[in-house]
Amino acid sequence: KQEVTQIPAALSVPEGENLVLNCSFTDSAIYNLQWFRQDPGKGLTSLLLIQSSQREQTSGRLNASLDKSSGRSTLYIAASQPGDSATYLCADKTDSWGKLQFGAGTQVVVTP
Amino acid sequence: DGGITQSPKYLFRKEGQNVTLSCEQNLNHDAMYWYRQDPGQGLRLIYYSQIVNDFQKGDIAEGYSVSREKKESFPLTVTSAQKNPTAFYLCASSRRDENIQYFGAGTRLSVL
Repeated sequence: KQEVTQIPAALSVPEGENLVLNCSFTDSAIYNLQWFRQDPGKGLTSLLLIQSSQREQTSGRLNASLDKSSGRSTLYIAASQPGDSATYLCADKTDSWGKLQFGAGTQVVVTP
Repeated sequence: DGGITQSPKYLFRKEGQNVTLSCEQNLNHDAMYWYRQDPGQGLRLIYYSQIVNDFQKGDIAEGYSVSREKKESFPLTVTSAQKNPTAFYLCASSRRDENIQYFGAGTRLSVL
């Protein structure tokens, strides 16, 4: 069974520093991988989706990479801001219909 | 505005009681999903439905039931058989030909 791991579970950085969030998965035969943001007590917002044929996706200050051979994805957030404080979850999809396997998330705090 | 509406935001269950969580979407999505989120854990899939009048068990379906009588609605019932129902419940939907799942704001269920 696919397992998705996110380490560390929590991270605190000063404002302006770049954030690097890690996601690892055990089965390299993924369909795609998604990064989500979750604010406390709220639902999930999709940030970036990387198809299995792609190596990276970018949106503004966010960049996500995918290395299937090593079973890793990394989310980079440039020049972090206090508004980036949230929990970031990754999830991969291993078949075409839509079932997602989630990591436990990394809780990020950006201090002013 | 298009989106997914979950209600209520907070719900309390008494011992032996069944409770129903509502999920409505006006995105015209075919597929709908229910996830459970516990502290420090990723989301786990309870049930999913790809089409009206059809649904499938996810990874942790025991103690839960669903129905899909209308495309817009996918209610989840937490039955008295679910011995540890305290959690944050998230509903999501997606188009069949799209990889991104869209999430509601969640319902927090607690036991009295």
